[in-house]
Amino acid sequence: AQSVTQLDSHVSVSEGTPVLLRCNYSSSYSPSLFWYVQHPNKGLQLLLKYTSAATLVKGINGFEAEFKKSETSFHLTKPSAHMSDAAEYFCVVSASGGSYIPTFGRGTSLIVHP
Amino acid sequence: KAGVTQTPRYLIKTRGQQVTLSCSPISGHRSVSWYQQTPGQGLQFLFEYFSETQRNKGNFPGRFSGRQFSNSRSEMNVSTLELGDSALYLCASSLVEGFNYGYTFGSGTRLTVV
Repeated sequence: AQSVTQLDSHVSVSEGTPVLLRCNYSSSYSPSLFWYVQHPNKGLQLLLKYTSAATLVKGINGFEAEFKKSETSFHLTKPSAHMSDAAEYFCVVSASGGSYIPTFGRGTSLIVHP
Repeated sequence: KAGVTQTPRYLIKTRGQQVTLSCSPISGHRSVSWYQQTPGQGLQFLFEYFSETQRNKGNFPGRFSGRQFSNSRSEMNVSTLELGDSALYLCASSLVEGFNYGYTFGSGTRLTVV
């Protein structure tokens, strides 16, 4: 069994300030973890993924995430928010030892103020 | 390089009817998966096809079905539509099967059941 909890439904930041989107997971197997972004009326775009290599994962557009097994967390960060980062962000878990069916978090809406 | 193409983009159907959605994957991609996105349930995995065979299926009733053709294009069918089937249906493709290897999503088909 696996699950994902995105701890904040909305996060509001000012342009140029750091971004932190929180994600906790549970999985019976070694997990693969992903962050996707969805802009309005668009599909999902992969930001980054963790698949049991380095625990600090760098993605596109300056985003990165750290896999912490002891805390079962995979938080997404960015040093400086840009207006174009405003979107919905989804944390996803897929179990490498299971059937690879992904489980999505409920999403975090990132709001960026000028 | 063309992305994942879903047609139509928008669809309005009457309760009780059936509907077919189409997905053309990125050239060379052999795996196609489908997802339902609603405000109430979030993003949920429907099924995955690889080389014309269903590999995985999510927890949806039998009214939801799909198939994949020899050119990797896929269709999803929903029979006896219910109001609750109103959703954004997303298709994603990948070179190989399994969510762990990275999927590219289309922009989706927004289905409204009235």
